Amino acid sequence: AQSVTQLGSHVSVSEGALVLLRCNYSSSVPPYLFWYVQYPNQGLQLLLKYTTGATLVKGINGFEAEFKKSETSFHLTKPSAHMSDAAEYFCAVTGRGSARQLTFGSGTQLTVLP
Amino acid sequence: DAMVIQNPRYQVTQFGKPVTLSCSQTLNHNVMYWYQQKSSQAPKLLFHYYDKDFNNEADTPDNFQSRRPNTSFCFLDIRSPGLGDAAMYLCATSRDSPSSGEQYFGPGTRLTVT
Repeated sequence: AQSVTQLGSHVSVSEGALVLLRCNYSSSVPPYLFWYVQYPNQGLQLLLKYTTGATLVKGINGFEAEFKKSETSFHLTKPSAHMSDAAEYFCAVTGRGSARQLTFGSGTQLTVLP
Repeated sequence: DAMVIQNPRYQVTQFGKPVTLSCSQTLNHNVMYWYQQKSSQAPKLLFHYYDKDFNNEADTPDNFQSRRPNTSFCFLDIRSPGLGDAAMYLCATSRDSPSSGEQYFGPGTRLTVT
């Protein structure tokens, strides 16, 4: 069974400050890991993913995340927050069988303060 | 651009009046999913199609049905909507391959039940 824990349902940062959104997972098999972003009244957009290979993955809009197997973590970071980054962020995990189903974390609402 | 399309974006229905939401995709993905997302919550998987094979989640109410007449289209039927069914409904697709795993989401249909 897989599960995802996102620490902090709400995170506020000042514009230009570092963004750090935390995600820990549990999985009985080597997982695929994802970060999605959701703007109000929109679907989910893939920010980045880890499948295999390099553990530091870069995504769209300046975001990156590092897969740390020893810590079972996949935290999302961005060096400098922009007002347009304000949104809901979901971490998700899936196994490596067929028709893989996503298990989502509960989400983190990011607020960017001027 | 290849994409997942959902129609309508906003749907209002009356209590107990059947409603159908539609999803189409130009990605030629073999797996299609329907999620229900309530306010400030993560998406909840209702069911998915792997090609023509229908897979229902154990806790999906019987009130929710789905049809996939061909690869490109998938429908969500709510036979007798209740007030508790008001939510955002998200359609997603994925391509089942060893190196993939991400799902591509449509913009969602927000359902209001009056």
